[in-house]
Amino acid sequence: QSALTQRRSVSGSPGQPVTISCTGTSSDIGAYNYVSWYQQHPNKAPKLMIYDVSKRPSGVPDRFSGSKSGNTASLTISGLQAEDEADYYCCSYAGSYLFGTGTKVTVL
Amino acid sequence: EVQLVESGGGLVQPGGSLRLSCAASGFTFSSYDMNWVRQAPGKGLEWVSYISSSSSTIYYADSVKGRFTISRDIARNSLSLQMNSLRVEDTAVYYCARRAGFLDYWGQGTLVTVSS
Repeated sequence: QSALTQRRSVSGSPGQPVTISCTGTSSDIGAYNYVSWYQQHPNKAPKLMIYDVSKRPSGVPDRFSGSKSGNTASLTISGLQAEDEADYYCCSYAGSYLFGTGTKVTVL
Repeated sequence: EVQLVESGGGLVQPGGSLRLSCAASGFTFSSYDMNWVRQAPGKGLEWVSYISSSSSTIYYADSVKGRFTISRDIARNSLSLQMNSLRVEDTAVYYCARRAGFLDYWGQGTLVTVSS
C-alpha cells in the first residue's frame, strides 16, 4: 500500500482558516470511517487531533475539525494560531494503519 | 495519566540486532492492542507492527516481516520489538502507540541508527 497523499505545505495568517487534504483510495479512506489526524511538533511525538473522521478527543481545541468525502479526508483549522505551526499527518485504518505523507503548516 | 516510555534504541551495524521496549502505565495494559510506528529522519510516519491485547493476533508491515518480532509482557506492562537483520533503511525513531481503534497515545520515541 502506498502512503496517503497530502500537500507538502500550507500556510496562513493568524486567525485565517486552513484546510489540509488527504487523498487515498476506495480501499482505505473511501472504505471506512476510520480516519484520524495527528499533529507533530519538531522532535515531539505525534498527538491525536481527530479520530473516526470528525471526532475530537478531549482537550483538542474546537477550531480543529475533520471531514471526509469519497476517498479524500480533510482537516480544517478554523482560526490559525501560532501554536498550530506543526506537521500534520492523516491516517486511515484498513486492517493496518496507513499514514499520509504529511503537511507542514506554517503560520505567517 | 497514560504514559508510554520507549527504550533500547542506539547505534547498530547493518545485519545486527536490537530490542526495543515500551513501558506502559496509567491504564489497564492488558485491555489494549498496541503498535509500533517509526519515522525515518525528516520523513513521515510508517506503521511497523501490531499486537492484540491477548497477543493472539500479530501483524507486520511487509518491510519488516520476517526480521522483526513484536511481543508483550502483561505482568510487566511492557511491549517489545525484537529487531534482527537490521538494514540502513531501518534507521528511524520508533514509537509505541496504544490502539483504541485509532492511535490515541504515543510514547516519546527511541532512535535506532543502523550504520557501519
